[in-house]
Amino acid sequence: DQQVKQNSPSLSVQEGRISILNCDYTNSMFDYFLWYKKYPAEGPTFLISISSIKDKNEDGRFTVFLNKSAKHLSLHIVPSQPGDSAVYFCAASAESNSGYALNFGKGTSLLVTP
Amino acid sequence: EAQVTQNPRYLITVTGKKLTVTCSQNMNHEYMSWYRQDPGLGLRQIYYSMNVEVTDKGDVPEGYKVSRKEKRNFPLILESPSPNQTSLYFCASRTGVWTGELFFGEGSRLTVL
Repeated sequence: DQQVKQNSPSLSVQEGRISILNCDYTNSMFDYFLWYKKYPAEGPTFLISISSIKDKNEDGRFTVFLNKSAKHLSLHIVPSQPGDSAVYFCAASAESNSGYALNFGKGTSLLVTP
Repeated sequence: EAQVTQNPRYLITVTGKKLTVTCSQNMNHEYMSWYRQDPGLGLRQIYYSMNVEVTDKGDVPEGYKVSRKEKRNFPLILESPSPNQTSLYFCASRTGVWTGELFFGEGSRLTVL
């Protein structure tokens, strides 16, 4: 049962434009959300996170927005650069018997074209 | 350099031949975990460990064992590998037991024939 869903398997954006990656979740107990970026043949690397007490967190070109009532979060990349081309995973966690295990979405492959 | 190191990075083996994928982190992290990544399924947790000698099952533990005898090491053991364990495996660690970002290794691609 997929608790974190990324419904767009892929996204193509022109360099300089905004990239918006979306993520929905079903478990209302999730209180910590993260985005990871993955290049081929490498492990995922942490990008940005947000706690459920906030609705926005910004780090340079990356901003994550959280809408708890809609159980939706999004990652905005502005401006997009070719080096941003990668697979982006949304992840969420909640205190549970498994500790703060991260539940990952299936990923969205972003392609930024020159 | 802070890192999570996995070995081997690539392995082809046959059904039933026991193998171990090692994982070591040099960040003094208490929490370590193993994930597998499969097409269309994303990343799923196999096992995790909150401290030395403390391990527990994740979402897909069947066919795997782990041990945590030292803080820095968290090997993944496949006692009798089967073809459905062909996958890309990631070890990860983090500072906090309950929260914090996960640092991932580079991955181990395992093929079981």
